Formats: sequence, structure tokens, C-alpha cells
Amino acid sequence: EPEVTQTPSHQVTQMGQEVILRCVPISNHLYFYWYRQILGQKVEFLVSFYNNEISEKSEIFDDQFSVERPDGSNFTLKIRSTKLEDSAMYFCASSSPMPSYEQYFGPGTRLTVT
Amino acid sequence: GQQLNQSPQSMFIQEGEDVSMNCTSSSIFNTWLWYKQDPGEGPVLLIALYKAGELTSNGRLTAQFGITRKDSFLNISASIPSDVGIYFCAVNNAGNMLTFGGGTRLMVKP
Repeated sequence: EPEVTQTPSHQVTQMGQEVILRCVPISNHLYFYWYRQILGQKVEFLVSFYNNEISEKSEIFDDQFSVERPDGSNFTLKIRSTKLEDSAMYFCASSSPMPSYEQYFGPGTRLTVT
Repeated sequence: GQQLNQSPQSMFIQEGEDVSMNCTSSSIFNTWLWYKQDPGEGPVLLIALYKAGELTSNGRLTAQFGITRKDSFLNISASIPSDVGIYFCAVNNAGNMLTFGGGTRLMVKP
């Protein structure tokens, strides 16, 4: 069964450093998403991406964040200058156009900012 | 923003028991989804509901989309140890964004 994959599974970084989280969505999906989950809290939407551009973003997704689909298979989330409060699980998800809300999640990257 | 209220927050049940959890909102939504999250893993889609009043099953799981479109429930029949995890409801808001509830943590005693 096709699945979303994410690398690395765990990333430790120092405050102020840039990190790039990588995702390979399900191959025939066209919508891509990033969500985050702070430890013990609910899953929160960050951004959705379709047709090589951001289609929606939340207020969490500020100028420190960016997304990119650098080739036909990868989808990345970059945090330019990490803060302590960026420590969380980051989940990539993807969906086909119909229905686009049946989103399939990857296993997540645990980001720890020290 | 929208708030989804899930209850109960946690449940500790005996293997073989049936489980019921629900999710309510003050707003109307057109799509309700139920996900399960195992420790250290991403959410896994269990059931998606598209019509008010719709009742949908997936094995031992049954979910219903409330008539008012402001609530949904999830039932698990004859629970087994691997049902342990956190169950989240989610709604499709504007566009493709999903808003998640706070989760119901299920623990099953063998």
C-alpha cells in the first residue's frame, strides 16, 4: 500500500539554525500539506500546497517557514531560524484531488530545538 | 478559530468492551473525519463522513455524521489491545485545511 515517507525521523538542532524536513508524498497525489503537533497537544495545520504554490496557510506559518517541491517526488519544509517553540512533531500529508480532505499522513519528524 | 470538543479525553476499558466517543462543534461542517494515532506515529485515516446522518463502518469501527452537522461519534465494538491509541476527529474547514479535535486517549486492559 502506498504511503507517505518522511526524513529524518528525528532532528536535533540549535536555536537559530536552519532545518529542512523532507517528505515523499504518495505518488499520484497532487495536494501536499504540513502539520505540526506539539507534545501532548492536537495536530495543527501549517500549510497546503498545490500546483507548485501555497494554496492555504495558517497563522503559525510565518516568514520563518517555507515549502518547496524541488523535484517530482520530494516536498520540503524549511524553517529558516529555529526557535525553542518550534520543537514539535512535523507531519507531512498528501491527498488526491477528489476528495482532497482524505489526507494521508507520514510518520512524522520529531524536531528538537535546543 | 474553530473548536472541536472531543469527549471523553481518555478512557480505560477492558478488552472486549464496546467504546463510544464523540466530537462536537458550535459550527456546521460538511465533512467529518476520524483518525487514529499510535505513539510516535502519524495519524491514520479511519473513516470519512460526507453527509448529515451518514453512518459508515470500517470493520469494528462505526462512525456517524450528526444530523445537525455539528457533531459526530465513533464506536468501536469488542475492543482489542491494538485499539490502544489516540483517536482524533477532524473537520474540513475552508479549502483543504483540516482542523483536529483534542483527541480521546484509549487504553485497553487485556
